[in-house]
Amino acid sequence: AQSVTQPDIHITVSEGASLELRCNYSYGATPYLFWYVQSPGQGLQLLLKYFSGDTLVQGIKGFEAEFKRSQSSFNLRKPSVHWSDAAEYFCAVGNSGGGADGLTFGKGTHLIIQP
Amino acid sequence: DTGVSQDPRHKITKRGQNVTFRCDPISEHNRLYWYRQTLGQGPEFLTYFQNEAQLEKSRLLSDRFSAERPKGSFSTLEIQRTEQGDSAMYLCASSIIRDGLFFGSGTQLSVL
Repeated sequence: AQSVTQPDIHITVSEGASLELRCNYSYGATPYLFWYVQSPGQGLQLLLKYFSGDTLVQGIKGFEAEFKRSQSSFNLRKPSVHWSDAAEYFCAVGNSGGGADGLTFGKGTHLIIQP
Repeated sequence: DTGVSQDPRHKITKRGQNVTFRCDPISEHNRLYWYRQTLGQGPEFLTYFQNEAQLEKSRLLSDRFSAERPKGSFSTLEIQRTEQGDSAMYLCASSIIRDGLFFGSGTQLSVL
């Protein structure tokens, strides 16, 4: 069965500093990988996705993520965070068949931005 | 296009009552999903439709839960005889293949 681990429950970063959120997945075939962001009381917004090809993918709001098959990781990065980036971030894995059974999500990382 | 729409945004009900939620997906999306999210957790898959056919149901979906998608457009999720453990955010998402899921803002259910 597929699974996602986000090792950090909370991360605190100063505004303007760089950010890296960790994600490790377990999946038997080539995974489809996603990062979502969720503000309090809201639904999830897709930041970026990896299906195949270039292992460094660019997303919205200045985020990027790198797929490393050897480490089963798909870490999210941003060079300089803004106070508006404070939110809950979820990594997810889907099957390469196109999502017939939806996505499996990690438990999330809560990002706190210090002024 | 206005994205995935869910109604109501909030629902407070008493234990034992029935509730129904509605989801309107992005119009060209043929796939529709229901997820449940509790505090401090990621969303958990409940069920999936391709057009009007319900193709997948999670073990989380007890027989008190039923979902429909008549004519392959909007979907409803009904919970009968609600229990306090049903309190959660119920999220709807839609997609086309290889495009990722697009989520609505969710329905927050509180069972008293």
